[in-house]
Amino acid sequence: NAGVTQTPKFRVLKTGQSMTLLCAQDMNHEYMYWYRQDPGMGLRLIHYSVGEGTTAKGEVPDGYNVSRLKKQNFLLGLESAAPSQTSVYFCATTHKSGNTIYFGEGSWLTVV
Amino acid sequence: QQPVQSPQAVILREGEDAVINCSSSKALYSVHWYRQKHGEAPVFLMILLKGGEQKGHEKISASFNEKKQQSSLYLTASQLSYSGTYFCGTERSGGSNYKLTFGKGTLLTVNP
Repeated sequence: NAGVTQTPKFRVLKTGQSMTLLCAQDMNHEYMYWYRQDPGMGLRLIHYSVGEGTTAKGEVPDGYNVSRLKKQNFLLGLESAAPSQTSVYFCATTHKSGNTIYFGEGSWLTVV
Repeated sequence: QQPVQSPQAVILREGEDAVINCSSSKALYSVHWYRQKHGEAPVFLMILLKGGEQKGHEKISASFNEKKQQSSLYLTASQLSYSGTYFCGTERSGGSNYKLTFGKGTLLTVNP
């Protein structure tokens, strides 16, 4: 019973490099989210998706792109990483509004 | 817009009680409460939907005052295991898509 799986768990990038974080869920949930967590800032929504083929911007979308080509996967891309993107990234999913949100274990990203 | 949590931090001795508050400037449909241990993903505690309900979970309960756009989390007879950062997440009323916006968190420390 995997639930929500994020890969990779840890990554160190150089400024300007690109990378993709993968979130995979096996719960057949419609809604998927990417949050970033920084000290003292709580969880801030980057992008989200309400179904396969749809994406929308959250609170802090600049510097990130996302895709939801398959219902079970939600990809977060950094085209040109910056030190300000050093953070812990959490993927989350839910079936519908007002339901429990399930989080992945997090991905620790450092940009040097 | 992030909901506002108070206090930012609280220190308790085992067995003491605490209240964490969450307020929003917008009309709310639901309030979620999560607890996060250091280095781990947030863990679901409970959801309250509009209608002014109160819920309980062992010695942890919460209320939601829809008119005041506020929710409170009550921790009674605290245990060492209650230590962690507590986040409220809010969903606004009237939205066509589901977005959960989190507060900055309340750090709870329970000492022996």
